Amino acid sequence: DSGVTQTPKHLITATGQRVTLRCSPRSGDLSVYWYQQSLDQGLQFLIQYYNGEERAKGNILERFSAQQFPDLHSELNLSSLELGDSALYFCASSPRQITDTQYFGPGTRLTVL
Amino acid sequence: KNEVEQSPQNLTAQEGEFITINCSYSVGISALHWLQQHPGGGIVSLFMLSSGKKKHGRLIATINIQEKHSSLHITASHPRDSAVYICAVRVNNDMRFGAGTRLTVKP
Repeated sequence: DSGVTQTPKHLITATGQRVTLRCSPRSGDLSVYWYQQSLDQGLQFLIQYYNGEERAKGNILERFSAQQFPDLHSELNLSSLELGDSALYFCASSPRQITDTQYFGPGTRLTVL
Repeated sequence: KNEVEQSPQNLTAQEGEFITINCSYSVGISALHWLQQHPGGGIVSLFMLSSGKKKHGRLIATINIQEKHSSLHITASHPRDSAVYICAVRVNNDMRFGAGTRLTVKP
């Protein structure tokens, strides 16, 4: 158990809908990272937050947004969902920066029908 | 061409064998990570390297910054090592991933 929790574990929704994925980092970790893993594109880095502020941005679509709250939990919002958004979404946390060892959550499997 | 290339894509070994997985990258990096993804999907970070060599139990990771190459070695492999091993590099504030090496260790 990494200490990182993600909810929900599974999510099935329809095209055009909006969903919110939630992540709670390990106790004491200030950085939260979001990743997408799809069958055709593998793992991709989406975005990093550090202590409530956006710190780094990867391959995140404009339809996706994230935030980190004062209690350090984070939410990833996915809107106008398309079939191609079906993937595993991982959250990870680390004490500080992107070069720290990251601890991964179990992932949320999103299926868009 | 991908910025991060791993080889081999698939690897089958007998229990006890010495295993090497390679990662080559074509961009300037500040750090390289080796990740392990279990059959159930969970991901564990094994190593973070910026130079030299690190060892943890039966796992050894090396990096050669000049040659833009890293290797992950597993000594005395065991069926529980069966997983996908993923190389990831930090490029500025971004992370780029290899496609992974699927390792199967047979008893």
